[in-house]
Amino acid sequence: QSVLTQPPSVSGAPGQRVTISCTGSSSNIGAGYDVHWYQQLSGTAPKLLIYGNSNRPSGVPDRFSGSKSGTSASLAITGLQAEDEADYYCQSYDSSLSGYVFGTGTKVTVL
Amino acid sequence: EVQLVQSGAEVKKPGESLKISCKGSGYSFTSYWIGWVRQMPGKGLEWMGIIYPGDSDTRYSPPFQGQVTISADKSISTAYLQWSSLKASDTALYFCVRRGDGYNDFFDSWGQGTLVTVSS
Repeated sequence: QSVLTQPPSVSGAPGQRVTISCTGSSSNIGAGYDVHWYQQLSGTAPKLLIYGNSNRPSGVPDRFSGSKSGTSASLAITGLQAEDEADYYCQSYDSSLSGYVFGTGTKVTVL
Repeated sequence: EVQLVQSGAEVKKPGESLKISCKGSGYSFTSYWIGWVRQMPGKGLEWMGIIYPGDSDTRYSPPFQGQVTISADKSISTAYLQWSSLKASDTALYFCVRRGDGYNDFFDSWGQGTLVTVSS
């Protein structure tokens, strides 16, 4: 069902920068709908990480940043830390489906 | 503090019915959409549907239309997800979520999840 495509996994050493892409289409990201990002630590519920393409909720470190261009969006984590090891999901709205859609998910591994 | 507290884990047999719940607190329950998200074992997140407790307006994701029923009782600030006849493929972790207000179409609060296991 996922119409937003993410890489299955990315990895990096502590302190490095990693990016996660989220590729959509003209009925979701390309239509101008915002992209949001969630972090799911192992065994816990997802948590809102980035909203409205690039905004951080209170309490989210500024190591996390988001951007959007055309039919894609990206999440960047700079200064990677061990506690960033988690699954990350993008989310948007799709006008063809008349509903919300999540990305396929990306597992971030800290080496 | 906004909180969504879900009912406990369930173990059911195929063909049985089930209704799980999600109680909201710390905000005006009737003013925010409440949705449900499925996570099958080892898999990603899937949006199932959403309800506006203020007037019970309900929307479903196409794969889930007719498979589940979403409802809400605003008198007790609780939303529900129910099945009339469970299948083994309904085995999953189910999260309730609160949608942001207005044009904020993200999910700013999540329940802890309810694990549903369907097995003969």
